[in-house]
Amino acid sequence: GENVEQHPSTLSVQEGDSAVIKCTYSDSASNYFPWYKQELGKRPQLIIDIRSNVGEKKDQRIAVTLNKTAKHFSLHITETQPEDSAVYFCAAPPIGGSQGNLIFGKGTKLSVKP
Amino acid sequence: EAGVVQSPRYKIIEKKQPVAFWCNPISGHNTLYWYLQNLGQGPELLIRYENEEAVDDSQLPKDRFSAERLKGVDSTLKIQPAELGDSAVYLCASSLGDEAFFGQGTRLTVV
Repeated sequence: GENVEQHPSTLSVQEGDSAVIKCTYSDSASNYFPWYKQELGKRPQLIIDIRSNVGEKKDQRIAVTLNKTAKHFSLHITETQPEDSAVYFCAAPPIGGSQGNLIFGKGTKLSVKP
Repeated sequence: EAGVVQSPRYKIIEKKQPVAFWCNPISGHNTLYWYLQNLGQGPELLIRYENEEAVDDSQLPKDRFSAERLKGVDSTLKIQPAELGDSAVYLCASSLGDEAFFGQGTRLTVV
């Protein structure tokens, strides 16, 4: 089945610096890649997603890039703020499955130090 | 707009006891998911419904877990009997298209 690997598992940055989280996937047919943010004790919430027909998508301080050849996609957060501290999950649809069925990475715990 | 509602938020039970979780998806969302999230891990799919039909339950441990979505709206997930290893957060999500909206989850502790 689809294998989604996420790195790093923990990331600590100084406020104002950039943070980059990377995920790799195994199914070249995958076409939808969301990123979820989960604050402590709260529900995962979608922050940005990208489809395989574009290479980059940006929303204010958050951007996602997709490299279909290498089968990886990355989350970029610029000018980090303490409220960005959370666990971030990437996801991809399973091989041959509906893109509603998401396989999640193990998560990256981001800590932004003021 | 109300989001995905789950109850209870927390549940503590003794092993071998039964337990049930309830989920009310966002109105109009025909797809409903139950995910299991262990501490420090990403959500793992247990079962997905399209309306009232379970279209993917390959990861559901059917010897002790069951789920239903009789009228294609609310859903319940049951564990009987519960084991110590079932302690986790059980997340319900619903979607109409690509984006899955999650509920707050039910944190289950089996003692």
